[in-house]
Amino acid sequence: DAGVTQSPTHLIKTRGQQVTLRCSPISGHKSVSWYQQVLGQGPQFIFQYYEKEERGRGNFPDRFSARQFPNYSSELNVNALLLGDSALYLCASSSPGKAGTEAFFGQGTRLTVV
Amino acid sequence: ILNVEQSPQSLHVQEGDSTNFTCSFPSSNFYALHWYRWETAKSPEALFVMTLNGDEKKKGRISATLNTKEGYSYLYIKGSQPEDSATYLCASRNTGNQFYFGTGTSLTVIP
Repeated sequence: DAGVTQSPTHLIKTRGQQVTLRCSPISGHKSVSWYQQVLGQGPQFIFQYYEKEERGRGNFPDRFSARQFPNYSSELNVNALLLGDSALYLCASSSPGKAGTEAFFGQGTRLTVV
Repeated sequence: ILNVEQSPQSLHVQEGDSTNFTCSFPSSNFYALHWYRWETAKSPEALFVMTLNGDEKKKGRISATLNTKEGYSYLYIKGSQPEDSATYLCASRNTGNQFYFGTGTSLTVIP
């Protein structure tokens, strides 16, 4: 079974540009969540999608958006990039509704904004 | 927003020593508590998920306990080995299935 896959693994963008990050969940998982981890901090929750609907949103500006496709893969978009958006972006997939269920993470996309 | 805190922030121990870390979390809307082991350049690896007050889980030399009434969890490593060196993350999952992470405890085991 393939795990959670994210693409690209690394990305360099300039300020003001837009970026799209992609995530494919584990087969059978219908929930995808996105997290941002800046250096020295724990992962911060950005979005959660379940069955193609947004189910949760963290404290991030409207420059951040996401969507989930019928195959449960997901994209995270960030517009008007700022230097502070430089971070590791992690995607996690899970099966909600079961308390003992784990979330599984991809290896992340390292975004550098210059 | 849930405030999940971990201590200590970093830890250096000698090979063979036993050690433990703390994760504290708000009790409101609690659903589950997760521990992850995260090595550099790898995905966070799930260690344990616990849901009930008093839960204890064990995997080899690593074990964890959960107290939902007071909002804390402990992770124990017995006889630390250099390969245990990693960042250990805890996350509280709420009833909306959202995970809130602590900042992690960075463990270095010195041979």
